[in-house]
Amino acid sequence: QLQLQESGPGLVKPSETQSLTCTVFGDSKSSSRYYWGWIRQPPGKGLEWIGTIYYSGSTYYNPSLKSRVSISVDTSKNQISLKLSSVTAADTAVYYCARQTGYYHDAFDIWGQGTMVTVSS
Amino acid sequence: QSALTQPPSVSGSPGQSVTISCTGTSSDVGSYNRVSWYQQPPGTAPKLMIYEVSNRPSGVPDRFSGSKSGNTASLTISGLQAEDEADYYCSSYTSSITWVFGGGTKLTVL
Repeated sequence: QLQLQESGPGLVKPSETQSLTCTVFGDSKSSSRYYWGWIRQPPGKGLEWIGTIYYSGSTYYNPSLKSRVSISVDTSKNQISLKLSSVTAADTAVYYCARQTGYYHDAFDIWGQGTMVTVSS
Repeated sequence: QSALTQPPSVSGSPGQSVTISCTGTSSDVGSYNRVSWYQQPPGTAPKLMIYEVSNRPSGVPDRFSGSKSGNTASLTISGLQAEDEADYYCSSYTSSITWVFGGGTKLTVL
């Protein structure tokens, strides 16, 4: 069964670049067949879509984060990466990766357990 | 892009039905049948409950149903059970080729 696992530093300093990795387990070719999304959730708040990537390299970003976000996919490692630059305390959140499926690739059907990232000096 | 609008909270007694609304605009909910719903119990990752307005993934009870009228989508939970208590989020595709979530609704089973 397909599983996703996010990993990366749990603490990042303000103004630095945060880097997270999502590893896909259970299907070695998954990363080259689906759309993959990153979503975050600040403590006590709602979900915010960060961006989506297709294995071909096509990317789609939240306009409010577009200038600071980069998402990439490494099909050889079955990994999806997220980089967020110039972080501030407002970027403190649980970060999730999720597979997007359905006819339109809209449904986030499999999620990782999430990884907490705190921005603090 | 602005978040979709959901009521902050709804409640119901076991066995009753509750409906959670999700209001967008003609640039998202109103233009596409591409609305999904997610259930998130405290401390867990979201779970897909409905996709493409009214489709249920396998394993989701048929007590959960979705619909849409104009710029507003709705999630109805019938035969409410204690285990349904959670936060619920809607999401929609938008004309800007992005996705947007609602602010979330806390469902309390009385």
